[in-house]
Amino acid sequence: RKEVEQDPGPFNVPEGATVAFNCTYSNSASQSFFWYRQDCRKEPKLLMSVYSSGNEDGRFTAQLNRASQYISLLIRDSKLSDSATYLCVVLSGGYNKLIFGAGTRLAVHP
Amino acid sequence: EPEVTQTPSHQVTQMGQEVILRCVPISNHLYFYWYRQILGQKVEFLVSFYNNEISEKSEIFDDQFSVERPDGSNFTLKIRSTKLEDSAMYFCASVDEQGYSGGYTFGSGTRLTVV
Repeated sequence: RKEVEQDPGPFNVPEGATVAFNCTYSNSASQSFFWYRQDCRKEPKLLMSVYSSGNEDGRFTAQLNRASQYISLLIRDSKLSDSATYLCVVLSGGYNKLIFGAGTRLAVHP
Repeated sequence: EPEVTQTPSHQVTQMGQEVILRCVPISNHLYFYWYRQILGQKVEFLVSFYNNEISEKSEIFDDQFSVERPDGSNFTLKIRSTKLEDSAMYFCASVDEQGYSGGYTFGSGTRLTVV
């Protein structure tokens, strides 16, 4: 089983749509979780951390279900500028390396 | 906002040549990392570095790879004898002790092309 699994997409949505991405992770001992955003041929950039109680940052909402080892990201009112690849990332190991999912590609169209 | 700086942005090298990729992490950060991303694939961990030594390395990080922090500011990745399959984006990242909950700062990457 892959350490972090995501649906690769692409998700093609119109502006204003709500879109949800899901992710599962295999290591039940993982403690920290993130969503990163990556634009084409650019570095990953932190979008938000994911907390057990769920957290929201503007149009973005992240949820964590430890029992199911499942992480989600909800984007409301999609903008053209949201078009990117969204990476589910888990912190792992004694020296806290990041384990990346393969990413879910989002394309928002007018 | 503090940045992680990587040079060069693009390097083309012949198979079998040595390359050195350079990174300047954020100055008060303590943990340093190299990741790579082959085109179309996921970002993969290569190595972590703390207190002037390697703290963890992946299976990818074989004897052809080495890292150094030669002068307290630069953090380098050396590939001794490049192979075609080393062609990838290489990202440097750093984090301070408090940063684990807030994610890492990545450099903009070096695109390595081995021909």
